[in-house]
Amino acid sequence: EIVLTQSPATLSLSPGERATLSCRASQSVSSSLAWYQQKPGQAPRLLIYHASNRATGIPARFSGRGSGTDFSLSISSLEPEDFAVYYCQQSSTWPYTFGQGTKLEIK
Amino acid sequence: QVHLVQSGAEVKKPGASVKVSCKASGYTLTSYGMHWVRQAPGQRLEWMGWINAANGNTKYSQKFQGRVTISRDTPASTVYMEMSRLRSEDTAVYFCATLGIMDFWGQGSLVTVSS
Repeated sequence: EIVLTQSPATLSLSPGERATLSCRASQSVSSSLAWYQQKPGQAPRLLIYHASNRATGIPARFSGRGSGTDFSLSISSLEPEDFAVYYCQQSSTWPYTFGQGTKLEIK
Repeated sequence: QVHLVQSGAEVKKPGASVKVSCKASGYTLTSYGMHWVRQAPGQRLEWMGWINAANGNTKYSQKFQGRVTISRDTPASTVYMEMSRLRSEDTAVYFCATLGIMDFWGQGSLVTVSS
């Protein structure tokens, strides 16, 4: 199965700063990669699909890029509500897999 | 408006089975496949399997193959996930989700396995 490795495990930043999260796949997933945000006690929320497309209702400060094996999620200027755990997920090959998550915490 | 409503929390003993339901509304069940994802306390999301709601075909993570069965009842607009031979490590919140561009999630069902 395709292993997704996210880095860093934890990212400590202040509101207003820029965040960049990384996701690396063990083999090519083309552009079949999504990013999710999860807050405690909630189901995940889709942010980005097909590597770089914002989901409905997602603010423009969220952007995704990459293809093949290397992907990133950027948040241009952090808002207080952005502090959460972020997961990447591939849908290129069965079984679908998730990364281990990056926790974005307030510095 | 799409809603996925899951069954309530369950407490099971090791070795038992559990069946979690996911009732869809606001769309035709056969329009999208349904995935099951679980999350143990403080742990990552873990993809378990998927059902093509139109024809019933399924895919499973090898980790759960043989122990998990995903099924659907089309007239009832409901998808089920049944897990057998439960172990304490199966204690988790279990989500149904459509995943993809049309991405909808259930509220999660807590399954606790404890003697």
